[in-house]
Amino acid sequence: GQSLEQPSEVTAVEGAIVQINCTYQTSGFYGLSWYQQHDGGAPTFLSYNALDGLEETGRFSSFLSRSDSYGYLLLQELQMKDSASYFCAVGYTGGFKTIFGAGTRLFVKA
Amino acid sequence: EAGVVQSPRYKIIEKKQPVAFWCNPISGHNTLYWYLQNLGQGPELLIRYENEEAVDDSQLPKDRFSAERLKGVDSTLKIQPAELGDSAVYLCASSLAAGAGELFFGEGSRLTVL
Repeated sequence: GQSLEQPSEVTAVEGAIVQINCTYQTSGFYGLSWYQQHDGGAPTFLSYNALDGLEETGRFSSFLSRSDSYGYLLLQELQMKDSASYFCAVGYTGGFKTIFGAGTRLFVKA
Repeated sequence: EAGVVQSPRYKIIEKKQPVAFWCNPISGHNTLYWYLQNLGQGPELLIRYENEEAVDDSQLPKDRFSAERLKGVDSTLKIQPAELGDSAVYLCASSLAAGAGELFFGEGSRLTVL
């Protein structure tokens, strides 16, 4: 079967750097995405990795290692508004499905 | 450009009543998804459409749930009859094509079944 694991909660201080890890088990993997969701809001796309390496978008970066079935989201210069849930999502063939992890709740403290 | 639009945002019904949710995807997006999200969990796929064809409905509880996508644009998700366990947020998303790395989500329809 397909599965993803990510930490349930992470707490960090404003201005700091935080890394949210995601490990997955899936056959036919073709990409790893990250989404941010504030309470009561829609999940919004942050980044996508299809190949190994680091993708950088402003304060957010995402990394993928296909050989290790592992990726992470790196948030720099944390701001209070970054307090939200972050989901990793894996796309895999066999119907072009996208499945989501349970999410990591990030708390940013002043 | 308008995003994915869903309605209603909130719905409270008694158990055994029917309920319907509507979704208008981003213009030009051929792929439409309905996800269910329970509190504190990630979205779980219910059904995926390619244009007007349901290509993946393996997770849709077909005894009480139904969906349609008329003319390959708007979509409706229906539950009849609703059960207490159906209380959740129903998210609609769209993408340019299957296998796209980016899904665009609507704000969701929060259902409470009493």
